[in-house]
Amino acid sequence: EVQLVESGGNLVQPGGSLRLSCAASGFTLSSNWMYWVRQAPGKGLVWLSRINSDGSSKIYADSVKGRFTISRDNAKNTVSLQMNSLRVDDTAVYYCTRAKTSPGFPLDSWGQGTLVTVSS
Amino acid sequence: SYEVSQPPSVSVSPGQTARISCSGDSLGDKFTCWYQQKPGQSPLLVIYQNSKRPAGIPDRFSGSSSGNTATLTISATRYEDEADYYCQTWDYELVFGGGTKLAVL
Repeated sequence: EVQLVESGGNLVQPGGSLRLSCAASGFTLSSNWMYWVRQAPGKGLVWLSRINSDGSSKIYADSVKGRFTISRDNAKNTVSLQMNSLRVDDTAVYYCTRAKTSPGFPLDSWGQGTLVTVSS
Repeated sequence: SYEVSQPPSVSVSPGQTARISCSGDSLGDKFTCWYQQKPGQSPLLVIYQNSKRPAGIPDRFSGSSSGNTATLTISATRYEDEADYYCQTWDYELVFGGGTKLAVL
């Protein structure tokens, strides 16, 4: 069974940092692109960052570019998101997701999400 | 940047057919998928590549796409189908619709 388990969410002050981790199991992590997606309270889904299978290509949404860094360790079956210079509007549930190897890159597996709250 | 739009809400009676649209410029030329999200849960992929169903998704869920619109159709709608539904396509990167709240009344 494919499982993605996020951790690292917490309450942090504006300007602070957090590192989110995603532990993958039940599949070969190196086979898939991985995405981080977030959802602010009562709002819709927003993609943040994508990393390709071997970690050589990373892209970011404009809203987090220069502040967030995605990484992966296929040997340890983990994907991470380093978040710096956090702002109040970064408050959201953050999901680690797997992109299906299929046209359109549907996200066929989602973690349970981890809550990040940015507040003073 | 590419954008897609969804109606904020759709209502349907139990047993009837619900249709949720997703609109974008020449969306029919791209691949669209759909997610279902119930309160307090993570999103669940219900349709990908416009019309394919992942394993375990009931055949009451179907999808189509043509022109500027992709459509998620839920036949014989049940109370348990009440949820938020998001479309997603890919235009050099992921593009999500704003979501549609399906009410089964």
